[in-house]
Amino acid sequence: NAGVMQNPRHLVRRRGQEARLRCSPVKGHSHVYWYRQLPEEGLKFMVYLQKENIIDESGMPKERFSAEFPKEGPSILRIQQVVRGDSAAYFCASSPLRAASHEQFFGPGTRLTVL
Amino acid sequence: DQQVKQNSPSLSVQEGRISILNCDYTNSMFDYFLWYKKYPAEGPTFLISISSIKDKNEDGRFTVFLNKSAKHLSLHIVPSQPGDSAVYFCAASYSGNTPLVFGKGTRLSVIA
Repeated sequence: NAGVMQNPRHLVRRRGQEARLRCSPVKGHSHVYWYRQLPEEGLKFMVYLQKENIIDESGMPKERFSAEFPKEGPSILRIQQVVRGDSAAYFCASSPLRAASHEQFFGPGTRLTVL
Repeated sequence: DQQVKQNSPSLSVQEGRISILNCDYTNSMFDYFLWYKKYPAEGPTFLISISSIKDKNEDGRFTVFLNKSAKHLSLHIVPSQPGDSAVYFCAASYSGNTPLVFGKGTRLSVIA
């Protein structure tokens, strides 16, 4: 009965490198959300995906950031040419098709540090 | 332009007493309100939620109150326990499967 899995838990990148964050939702959940948390801030929505579809990417920067949720395999959040301001905790959440209480289940997060 | 606000960054309460965490929102279109608890280096954990058509929801030691006219909700924890020490986030969502809008959180410390 595994929950949301995220890997890696910690990721260190130098400026200009690529960061690739993975998220496996709760088994049977078809909706995936990515959030970012900066220090001393709340979680900010980035992108909402269903299998093979991006539903809402209004919170994701237009450049350097992309996300996918393929038919098979985990959801991937990709950050190209990372900058120091990308350092943050990135959380993935999943929900079933119809969540009565609107609850989303969160993973443990990936802490990205850009040197 | 924060749609969900938690104006108290921190709160200290003695063990056994009541903890009251507050949250205000600006958008009357929100359909559901949720509270999450977060420990350091972990993801948020769902605590309790309330629909916009209700004014109270209770689950064990946790009760959430919603005052729609004031656009205000609160989480009551009674009795408070040391294990409740964590950051509590208030979140809101629109109808259907939609992203959550979070407040900045309140750090609760329960002192033994």
